Amino acid sequence: DAMVIQNPRYQVTQFGKPVTLSCSQTLNHNVMYWYQQKSSQAPKLLFHYYDKDFNNEADTPDNFQSRRPNTSFCFLDIRSPGLGDAAMYLCATSRELAGTQETQYFGPGTRLLVL
Amino acid sequence: GDSVTQMEGPVTLSEEAFLTINCTYTATGYPSLFWYVQYPGEGLQLLLKATKADDKGSNKGFEATYRKETTSFHLEKGSVQVSDSAVYFCALSDPSANAGKSTFGDGTTLTVKP
Repeated sequence: DAMVIQNPRYQVTQFGKPVTLSCSQTLNHNVMYWYQQKSSQAPKLLFHYYDKDFNNEADTPDNFQSRRPNTSFCFLDIRSPGLGDAAMYLCATSRELAGTQETQYFGPGTRLLVL
Repeated sequence: GDSVTQMEGPVTLSEEAFLTINCTYTATGYPSLFWYVQYPGEGLQLLLKATKADDKGSNKGFEATYRKETTSFHLEKGSVQVSDSAVYFCALSDPSANAGKSTFGDGTTLTVKP
């Protein structure tokens, strides 16, 4: 009964070759987030969508883009991956924005390796 | 700005030992507080939460009490098991700050040995 699904679980790409990670949810939540996590550090928020409203964090590199074609799906596009982009990418959802009492529901993550 | 400071790890305990992982926070408003757990190779899962002062969150034998006077939300468990080995993240959500964002601590790695 997975609620937040991420595909693939592992992704290998080449330096500079565009890559897309996908996330889907069965919770019908309004908000979807993308986080980058390196080596069991704190997850770092890249951006989030509230419905179709996109919110980019100020320090998210331009190399990272996102699309949310409908409520259920959200994509992370890395236009030109560098070695420093190798990380675990976590998708999360919440019913309302995280600044309230809302719990975030995380997917299992996609581990990205850049060769 | 908001911040969360967690006890540095790694923490290694023997099975059935008592666990405390310290967490303190700074926030401009009245945040909700969370503990998330991340098992190896997986995403984060909510372990417990508390939304106002003196609330106690509890789940799977873990407890944490929201202490406004000490700005703390320490995680405790009376008797840990090998299966509790994971990374634990303390987090807050502050409605008076950037409403779209949670603030996470750096995580504490717990290893429980049989």
